Amino acid sequence: GQSLEQPSEVTAVEGAIVQINCTYQTSGFYGLSWYQQHDGGAPTFLSYNALDGLEETGRFSSFLSRSDSYGYLLLQELQMKDSASYFCAVSNDYKLSFGAGTTVTVRA
Amino acid sequence: DAGVIQSPRHEVTEMGQEVTLRCKPISGHDYLFWYRQTMMRGLELLIYFNNNVPIDDSGMPEDRFSAKMPNASFSTLKIQPSEPRDSAVYFCASSPGTSPSEQFFGPGTRLTVL
Repeated sequence: GQSLEQPSEVTAVEGAIVQINCTYQTSGFYGLSWYQQHDGGAPTFLSYNALDGLEETGRFSSFLSRSDSYGYLLLQELQMKDSASYFCAVSNDYKLSFGAGTTVTVRA
Repeated sequence: DAGVIQSPRHEVTEMGQEVTLRCKPISGHDYLFWYRQTMMRGLELLIYFNNNVPIDDSGMPEDRFSAKMPNASFSTLKIQPSEPRDSAVYFCASSPGTSPSEQFFGPGTRLTVL
């Protein structure tokens, strides 16, 4: 089976940097994905790491260390619209198993 | 593209009734997924299809749940009979075969079973 751990809540001010860590245990691992979900909305894809290292997409970056079963999502230059839940998910072939999510609250 | 379309957006029903949720995936996507989201259990994969064929239904909670995909543009998730513990938001998602971890979610159906 799969288990993922990520912090439940993070609060930061506009313009700050937030790092959301994700550790996982899984049988069969293809990669680590990150999804964003606004309250009342649907999850939307942010990034995917199959190999070790950092992937950068605009203000968001994602990192993976396969040897440590660890990854993180880095949110830079926080904006109010970044207030949402962020989920890490491990992929085993085409199946995604999601973590419980981290609620990020951005304050003015 | 209109994205993944789900209907209805909200459904309120009474215990014991049959519920059918519908999904139209993005055209050209080979994979279709059904998820359930609750506060207690988070986001869970129920079943997924590849080219209209069910590949893995190990997440389907029990025999009261069934899913079909009669063609590439339509899928249903049926609950019969429904129970209050089935209350949740049900998402349908689709994905191109080239990028399995990038799944496109529909807006979801919020189901309430009284």
